[in-house]
Amino acid sequence: DVKVTQSSRYLVKRTGEKVFLECVQDMDHENMFWYRQDPGLGLRLIYFSYDVKMKEKGDIPEGYSVSREKKERFSLILESASTNQTSMYLCASSLTSNNQPQHFGDGTRLSIL
Amino acid sequence: AQSVTQLGSHVSVSEGALVLLRCNYSSSVPPYLFWYVQYPNQGLQLLLKYTSAATLVKGINGFEAEFKKSETSFHLTKPSAHMSDAAEYFCAVSGTSYGKLTFGQGTILTVHP
Repeated sequence: DVKVTQSSRYLVKRTGEKVFLECVQDMDHENMFWYRQDPGLGLRLIYFSYDVKMKEKGDIPEGYSVSREKKERFSLILESASTNQTSMYLCASSLTSNNQPQHFGDGTRLSIL
Repeated sequence: AQSVTQLGSHVSVSEGALVLLRCNYSSSVPPYLFWYVQYPNQGLQLLLKYTSAATLVKGINGFEAEFKKSETSFHLTKPSAHMSDAAEYFCAVSGTSYGKLTFGQGTILTVHP
């Protein structure tokens, strides 16, 4: 069965810290995605990756970076955390074709104090 | 460019009543469409997908959706609501590359006894 695992369900950090969110998929998917979810705003794409070491900006990349050194792992990095980055972060993966669904992890609820 | 509009951020029904969640899309290419469900503090789970094989699509948990090209709609229905259907539902349309999805704002479904 499809499995996308996010390293933490809940995370509390302080402003200015460098924060790493990790995501691992076991389905050999080419594509991986990072979203943030905020009430009333739906899901907004931060970054995505279509291959190892390849990445593209999504709709709201400011303040974030990503790393994909191995096919199964996609990391989201908050370079210097700020309180407006408090949110639910969702990772997803998919096969390369546009008619394939994305499969989601359970999310990381991140609080920046 | 793709966009999705979900009419009604909150829908409330009685147990046993018809569930109708509305989704209209805009797409510059023939669309692939998806409905996801999100239970509290969980990631998104795929309910069903339209990939041009049949206009009436059946999904999990008794849900179905009908693709209507003339109305650019993909509404989600269930004949009889159950308490366990209470969740947030997202409609999404596939983009033109890399399996990217554009999500609607979400509809929170409440089911009353």
